[in-house]
Amino acid sequence: GENVEQHPSTLSVQEGDSAVIKCTYSDSASNYFPWYKQELGKGPQLIIDIRSNVGEKKDQRIAVTLNKTAKHFSLHITETQPEDSAVYFCAASGASGTYKYIFGTGTRLKVLA
Amino acid sequence: GAGVSQTPSNKVTEKGKYVELRCDPISGHTALYWYRQSLGQGPEFLIYFQGTGAADDSGLPNDRFFAVRPEGSVSTLKIQRTERGDSAMYLCASSSGLGGQFFGPGTRLTVL
Repeated sequence: GENVEQHPSTLSVQEGDSAVIKCTYSDSASNYFPWYKQELGKGPQLIIDIRSNVGEKKDQRIAVTLNKTAKHFSLHITETQPEDSAVYFCAASGASGTYKYIFGTGTRLKVLA
Repeated sequence: GAGVSQTPSNKVTEKGKYVELRCDPISGHTALYWYRQSLGQGPEFLIYFQGTGAADDSGLPNDRFFAVRPEGSVSTLKIQRTERGDSAMYLCASSSGLGGQFFGPGTRLTVL
């Protein structure tokens, strides 16, 4: 079935360093890839997304890259700050409908001051 | 309001009881989604509404789960004969199109 793998499960970085989270999806029909940040006790917050006709997208300190051939996409956070600490989820639209997101298992990012 | 709201924020119930979870989507969003999130996992799709109708309910785990959206805005997720395994965070999201789902804060359901 449709599957999204996400790595690493935990990531600790020093403040100011970069963080990279990687995801792999199984369904070649997926064409929309959002990233969510979830803080403790809150719902996921959409932080950036990318569509399959684009290879890279950037928004200030956050960027996402997509390799459709390899079915990989990655989140890059530069100049990390303590407030970036949270759980990050990648997702891919499912084959049966672009509305049905398949989520990864999450990456707990800790930014050490 | 500015975002998706969900009530209650927490619900504790006893095994076998009936519960209702409410979702108020972003004004004007025609699409509404319910997800379930277990501890340490990503959200799992339950059901999708486009307007008043359930366009896809393939994620509902069994017939104890049901959701409605009678006027195309507020939605209610209903769980009958709750079981301990139903304990989870129930998330609602809405969108204006095929992308960019915006989530509410969730309802944490605990079945004792």
